[in-house]
Amino acid sequence: SQTIHQWPATLVQPVGSPLSLECTVEGTSNPNLYWYRQAAGRGLQLLFYSVGIGQISSEVPQNLSASRPQDRQFILSSKKLLLSDSGFYLCAWSFPSGSNQPQHFGDGTRLSIL
Amino acid sequence: LAKTTQPISMDSYEGQEVNITCSHNNIATNDYITWYQQFPSQGPRFIIQGYKTKVTNEVASLFIPADRKSSTLSLPRVSLSDTAVYYCLVGDKNDYKLSFGAGTTVTVRA
Repeated sequence: SQTIHQWPATLVQPVGSPLSLECTVEGTSNPNLYWYRQAAGRGLQLLFYSVGIGQISSEVPQNLSASRPQDRQFILSSKKLLLSDSGFYLCAWSFPSGSNQPQHFGDGTRLSIL
Repeated sequence: LAKTTQPISMDSYEGQEVNITCSHNNIATNDYITWYQQFPSQGPRFIIQGYKTKVTNEVASLFIPADRKSSTLSLPRVSLSDTAVYYCLVGDKNDYKLSFGAGTTVTVRA
């Protein structure tokens, strides 16, 4: 079976500091990978998605970036965090295009910027 | 992508059936309807997916009328642990940009 791991679970960072959140998927090959952000009481905002190694599509212009150095690894980064970057970050995976399989989410990272 | 509209919140009591209706007037021929459940501080969890008529699994049922412009998620005999946010999404197999709106907050009371 497939599993998704996301860490850390919580993170407190000062404004202007860098960020690196990691997500890995096990039990499948060539998954589609996604990064979402969720503000308190709101829906999920798609930040990035990837259909393969090195292939990243950005949905929202911001000071965040994503990378996919390996097939089942997805990293969310920032060089300098802003207060507005606070939120709940979720990584998800789905089977490759051509299927109607749903997205499967990790447990998220609660990011607080001070 | 088809836009969806669902109630912001619903209250229920333990043992009752909860029905959440989602409107998607602009649904396309190839679009599927998918529902997710999210508990606080957790990622959304897939509940059920359908294209037309009725789909049932061990968790819920999904009713889709012939015109497919709406769908209803039915949760039978809810318990306190069913308190969560429920999202309705519409898209086809090539849609990466699924839109999770605010969802419906279902509160189950004893």
